[in-house]
Amino acid sequence: NAGVTQTPKFQVLKTGQSMTLQCAQDMNHEYMSWYRQDPGMGLRLIHYSVGAGITDQGEVPNGYNVSRSTTEDFPLRLLSAAPSQTSVYFCASSYMDGNTEAFFGQGTRLTVV
Amino acid sequence: KNQVEQSPQSLIILEGKNCTLQCNYTVSPFSNLRWYKQDTGRGPVSLTIMTFSENTKSNGRYTATLDADTKQSSLHITASQLSDSASYICVVSAYNSNYQLIWGAGTKLIIKP
Repeated sequence: NAGVTQTPKFQVLKTGQSMTLQCAQDMNHEYMSWYRQDPGMGLRLIHYSVGAGITDQGEVPNGYNVSRSTTEDFPLRLLSAAPSQTSVYFCASSYMDGNTEAFFGQGTRLTVV
Repeated sequence: KNQVEQSPQSLIILEGKNCTLQCNYTVSPFSNLRWYKQDTGRGPVSLTIMTFSENTKSNGRYTATLDADTKQSSLHITASQLSDSASYICVVSAYNSNYQLIWGAGTKLIIKP
């Protein structure tokens, strides 16, 4: 049982480049979300999805896009990377909604130079 | 403003000793409170979830308490082990048309042999 799988684990981008962080879950969870974690701060919600075809913005959505074409996959796209987007990114899934237990991937450490 | 504050920021104890981590929150309306363990380089893993009516919840050597009147929670670790070295994060769920998770910055715990 793989749970939540994120790729890549590490990535270095140049300012202005774009990329997609991949997230897949095999638990048939409806709710998926993306967070960023910065030193000394709590996790901050970027975008979330309550089911296939439905996405919404979280606390810090600027500079990021998401889509949810299937229940399993929830990719996060950085449109034009900026140094302020240097962070660790976590994908999470929950059975029903944001109030049920969340299962996290191992994270992607992104550095923008 | 919804906030979750944790103390201490970091803690070093000897293997075998007990410790208690604190979480104070100003979140409304309250839905539940969670404690997560995050190993270095990994995603958070859920330890406990407590609703308004639960005062105490245990998970092995981890015992969480909740005082909804004073809006305080604690996580007590008994007979610490080297594998307990991690960050411990307090998260409070609030409901305002949808569920919002408010994350604390975490307490970094180091267990020394």
